[in-house]
Amino acid sequence: DAGVTQSPTHLIKTRGQQVTLRCSPKSGHDTVSWYQQALGQGPQFIFQYYEEEERQRGNFPDRFSGHQFPNYSSELNVNALLLGDSALYLCASSRRTDTQYFGPGTRLTVL
Amino acid sequence: GENVEQHPSTLSVQEGDSAVIKCTYSDSASNYFPWYKQELGKGPQLIIDIRSNVGEKKDQRIAVTLNKTAKHFSLHITETQPEDSAVYFCAAVQGGSEKLVFGKGTKLTVNP
Repeated sequence: DAGVTQSPTHLIKTRGQQVTLRCSPKSGHDTVSWYQQALGQGPQFIFQYYEEEERQRGNFPDRFSGHQFPNYSSELNVNALLLGDSALYLCASSRRTDTQYFGPGTRLTVL
Repeated sequence: GENVEQHPSTLSVQEGDSAVIKCTYSDSASNYFPWYKQELGKGPQLIIDIRSNVGEKKDQRIAVTLNKTAKHFSLHITETQPEDSAVYFCAAVQGGSEKLVFGKGTKLTVNP
């Protein structure tokens, strides 16, 4: 049984560009949450998707948006990248309100 | 909103010793408290969790205790091994949501 998968593993972008990160949830899971983890910090909640809708949102600007597809996979989009957006982006999947399991993350570097 | 404080930020122990990491939370409505282990270059891995209707939970060498009155919970690792070396995060689920709020992490080093 595959766990949570994320792509790409690493990404380098320049300021002002846009990026799309992808996540496939663990089999049987219908909810996807996205977190940003800066170096040396704990993950910070960005938003959560369930039934293809954003259900909850953390304290992140509108430059951060997402989508969930009918097969429960999800994308995180970040527009107008800033240097401060450099971080590890983590996807976690769950069965609705149950335990969240994390993927390996996508390391985004903004130059 | 919920705020989670975690101590210590670094912890170094000898192989075979015990390690204890402590967390406090602010939202009395929080009802779920997972612990994650994160190795270098990897995503957080769930190692144990506890819900607010339970005071203690144990899984082999790992145990978690919860004191709802004091709003703190702790991770206990016994008979530590070098492979336990990693960064450990506590988290709390904010009351009324499914949002995980994390502590800042504890870097555990187990010296052979």
